[in-house]
Amino acid sequence: ETGVTQTPRHLVMGMTNKKSLKCEQHLGHNAMYWYKQSAKKPLELMFVYNFKEQTENNSVPSRFSPECPNSSHLFLHLHTLQPEDSALYLCASSQGGSTGELFFGEGSRLTVL
Amino acid sequence: GQNIDQPTEMTATEGAIVQINCTYQTSGFNGLFWYQQHAGEAPTFLSYNVLDGLEEKGRFSSFLSRSKGYSYLLLKELQMKDSASYLCAVRDQYGGATNKLIFGTGTLLAVQP
Repeated sequence: ETGVTQTPRHLVMGMTNKKSLKCEQHLGHNAMYWYKQSAKKPLELMFVYNFKEQTENNSVPSRFSPECPNSSHLFLHLHTLQPEDSALYLCASSQGGSTGELFFGEGSRLTVL
Repeated sequence: GQNIDQPTEMTATEGAIVQINCTYQTSGFNGLFWYQQHAGEAPTFLSYNVLDGLEEKGRFSSFLSRSKGYSYLLLKELQMKDSASYLCAVRDQYGGATNKLIFGTGTLLAVQP
């Protein structure tokens, strides 16, 4: 098993659809993150969870709804998205320590038509 | 405000040395990270600096000057596989197991034969 696994890798949806992105980490970390990566823009932090509790919501529109049932799983529920939401959505996890670096999944490429 | 600047693109020759610069202005500072991201893949951790000076790790080295808000990533003996995007990120705060990383737009490095 790779460290952080995201599914689906690619998703195409209409603006009225409801879909979900899934992330699972096999590293025993306590914190999980959602980042958005758009072309020629910096990675944007969306949400942070620590021990299943949300600790950061970076002014994300309510059409994105995160869910963290346990420290190993993280979901991003998508509803009535806009074409400008098309991007690569990256999940990451981390553990406290001297470095505490993030471990990323390969991302879910989302296209909103 | 939060701002991290790095060049958009760089080109270098196989076997050569390249230096990728990063300047930052952030409200807080608790460490600077460099990540490598190949096209279509997850960002992977390269280096971490929290104190001034040079950290060396094989062919890769990273330097930090906190007073100048400046870092660079040095890649020696370039190989074709080093062609990737290099992301500079500042940790704004460190609370337990969670990290709030602020990313630059990334520097796309092309290594030519």
